[in-house]
Amino acid sequence: EAGVAQSPRYKIIEKRQSVAFWCNPISGHATLYWYQQILGQGPKLLIQFQNNGVVDDSQLPKDRFSAERLKGVDSTLKIQPAKLEDSAVYLCASSEAGRGTEAFFGQGTRLTVV
Amino acid sequence: TQLLEQSPQFLSIQEGENLTVYCNSSSVFSSLQWYRQEPGEGPVLLVTVVTGGEVKKLKRLTFQFGDARKDSSLHITAAQTGDTGLYLCAGAQAGNTPLVFGKGTRLSVIA
Repeated sequence: EAGVAQSPRYKIIEKRQSVAFWCNPISGHATLYWYQQILGQGPKLLIQFQNNGVVDDSQLPKDRFSAERLKGVDSTLKIQPAKLEDSAVYLCASSEAGRGTEAFFGQGTRLTVV
Repeated sequence: TQLLEQSPQFLSIQEGENLTVYCNSSSVFSSLQWYRQEPGEGPVLLVTVVTGGEVKKLKRLTFQFGDARKDSSLHITAAQTGDTGLYLCAGAQAGNTPLVFGKGTRLSVIA
């Protein structure tokens, strides 16, 4: 079974630029998460989708971050404009609906804002 | 407010030693999970516990869920250098609510 795919693996941008990350979850997984992991810390939830609907985006900085999952499969996370403090690893995870919360993670995208 | 507190934050031990790391909360969780993360990779699920008092074993790793479902521990027997990594606990308070993570325990096992 293929795992969660994310791209790109690495991205370096200047502050005030825009960036987008892509995630393809495990086939059949209805729930998709985006997490931000700052160096030395645990993952912090940004947004949770159930199919193509948003379940929780309470910690998403909506003035600069946006995410979509239009067809209930792939998802993109965008930052516009980026700030230095956005430097982090952005992790995508997915889980089956009705299977509780066992989440399977992609390798992440390491973003460096300079 | 950090919902899940993990301790210790850092742990460095010699190969062959035993260790225990803790995950504590004032909140009740319907399930709690332990993940291990290596540099440059995403977290990998080790175990899920759902019943208060539950004990699960995975080779040299023993996981316990507190009776009140507010805390958990991970015990490693005879640690090996391959156990080195970031150990994260994560919990959810109801079926499909977001999974929240602790800050992790960074374990270093020295040969």
